[in-house]
Amino acid sequence: DTGVSQDPRHKITKRGQNVTFRCDPISEHNRLYWYRQTLGQGPEFLTYFQNEAQLEKSRLLSDRFSAERPKGSFSTLEIQRTEQGDSAMYLCASSSPEVSSYNSPLHFGNGTRLTVT
Amino acid sequence: AQSVTQLGSHVSVSEGALVLLRCNYSSSVPPYLFWYVQYPNQGLQLLLKYTSAATLVKGINGFEAEFKKSETSFHLTKPSAHMSDAAEYFCAVSGPNAGNMLTFGGGTRLMVKP
Repeated sequence: DTGVSQDPRHKITKRGQNVTFRCDPISEHNRLYWYRQTLGQGPEFLTYFQNEAQLEKSRLLSDRFSAERPKGSFSTLEIQRTEQGDSAMYLCASSSPEVSSYNSPLHFGNGTRLTVT
Repeated sequence: AQSVTQLGSHVSVSEGALVLLRCNYSSSVPPYLFWYVQYPNQGLQLLLKYTSAATLVKGINGFEAEFKKSETSFHLTKPSAHMSDAAEYFCAVSGPNAGNMLTFGGGTRLMVKP
């Protein structure tokens, strides 16, 4: 169990540029989540995958945001035409397929901190 | 819809003193409740979870939490604070929604004075 890995750890970009983040979940975990955390706030749900299927998207995920998990393993989160309001920590988490999914804890990566100037 | 309220965005205690971090939840169905800890520039680490097996839940690092349905609360406690406990703590709730999405509270920053 090497944990959830996110890359890069930090990204500074200019407004209007596109950025892409990567998440590698724990290998046997079939569920993968993206959250966004702004300074002083709790994480907010963005989207969720079970294997390669994207099953849920938050209204926070505008059309400038797209997430993929093409082979049911790693995932990417792309933000197009970045805005200053996109500056945040983007957290990825994964969980295992326990019998009852609702109490299966999420394992978080260390996040990607995005700064849009 | 589910929600979590954490009372007190900042809590300061002396080393060795009792730690009490408050969490109240709102849920139309029996909830699953979690406490996570976040150290600076890191992701969230699970401290403990409540899944209806027992109302008093013991977690890592000496923390425990008690589920009180009548008060819709899930407060986190530790008998004696240590300097290394200084961090941000988040209470979260999940339930029979798609996957097991967590809804987080706003967090409580715990400061420990020597």
